[in-house]
Amino acid sequence: AQKVTQAQTEISVVEKEDVTLDCVYETRDTTYYLFWYKQPPSGELVFLIRRNSFDEQNEISGRYSWNFQKSTSSFNFTITASQVVDSAVYFCALSEAFGNEKLTFGTGTRLTIIP
Amino acid sequence: DTGVSQNPRHKITKRGQNVTFRCDPISEHNRLYWYRQTLGQGPEFLTYFQNEAQLEKSRLLSDRFSAERPKGSFSTLEIQRTEQGDSAMYLCASSLMGTDYEQYFGPGTRLTVT
Repeated sequence: AQKVTQAQTEISVVEKEDVTLDCVYETRDTTYYLFWYKQPPSGELVFLIRRNSFDEQNEISGRYSWNFQKSTSSFNFTITASQVVDSAVYFCALSEAFGNEKLTFGTGTRLTIIP
Repeated sequence: DTGVSQNPRHKITKRGQNVTFRCDPISEHNRLYWYRQTLGQGPEFLTYFQNEAQLEKSRLLSDRFSAERPKGSFSTLEIQRTEQGDSAMYLCASSLMGTDYEQYFGPGTRLTVT
């Protein structure tokens, strides 16, 4: 069975600070995908990134970066120079690579950026 | 390109009533998923369709729940004899199998059972 753990329930940081959101996953599949979604107060889930299990290269997109480490089954997300607009609930998710690709989500981390 | 739309956005119903939600996926997407999200939790998978075929249902989906996707376009999720425990946000997502598999989510339907 697949499982995603986001141990940080809530994080608050002052604007412009860097913040890292942790994600640890469990799966028996050798091929799988990892995702991060953002859920702002409006409620709609916004896709941020998808990574497959064979691609361990870290990725940077503007102020966002992702660190995928297969050895520790972690897929952490860092926001650099945080802004108030980054305040949201962030979900890490996992899917098998072949089949229905249903997403297994973690419980989310509520991030609050204090102006 | 319009996104995934869901109607209604909010539904308040009394316990024991039936409710139906609708999801319109992105037009060319052949896969459609339903998830349920309760307060403080991540979305949980309920069921999914590939075109008009319902290929998997979660154990969360009791026999009071039924989903359809006639003609492989929009989908409906019906809950019969609603219970207070059904109160949640019901999310729909769609994807195009064979490309990037990214699931695009709709705004959700928030159900409150009183």
